[in-house]
Amino acid sequence: GAVVSQHPSRVICKSGTSVKIECRSLDFQATTMFWYRQFPKQSLMLMATSNEGSKATYEQGVEKDKFLINHASLTLSTLTVTSAHPEDSSFYICSARIGYQNTGELFFGEGSRLTVL
Amino acid sequence: SQQGEEDPQALSIQEGENATMNCSYKTSINNLQWYRQNSGRGLVHLILIRSNEREKHSGRLRVTLDTSKKSSSLLITASRAADTASYFCATVPRYGGSQGNLIFGKGTKLSVKP
Repeated sequence: GAVVSQHPSRVICKSGTSVKIECRSLDFQATTMFWYRQFPKQSLMLMATSNEGSKATYEQGVEKDKFLINHASLTLSTLTVTSAHPEDSSFYICSARIGYQNTGELFFGEGSRLTVL
Repeated sequence: SQQGEEDPQALSIQEGENATMNCSYKTSINNLQWYRQNSGRGLVHLILIRSNEREKHSGRLRVTLDTSKKSSSLLITASRAADTASYFCATVPRYGGSQGNLIFGKGTKLSVKP
């Protein structure tokens, strides 16, 4: 099956610093990747849709200057949490689909747990 | 935004018993999918059922879909301790949606006791 690798799996940082999370599709090309955020014991909330070679599409209420998304290649999307604050502490998960069809299953990374002190 | 609700929010059963989880959604869909998430991990796709299908099987999993009621159920038969996880339904809207993103329900936390 398709593999999505996410790194780092766990990161602790000081308030005010920036943190970059990488999402790679290892054995397929992903023109579109999705970034989700999950609070403890809650569901996944879509933050943004990352498109290769173009600007990401952000969901309502998600600050694009706070959560910078770059999708520079067909196998890599990055999420940078800028000037992180404790309220940004959360579990961030990326996902992608194989090919160009947009209705099939998503393949998820293992998630990145961010703790901001 | 959340598409729907899972019911129950938490379910605790003994190994060998069947587990049934329900999901409701609000808008017209292209398909509905079920995912599993072990604690602190990513999600794993279990099964996809299209809007023109009513029932689908995969191993010990049975999924039903009732588009008139906008609801789906996931049945896990002969449960095992290893089935302990959170289970989410997710829908692909028929119209609109951000390039085919999934809209997730709130999930059911299943605990299977040995």
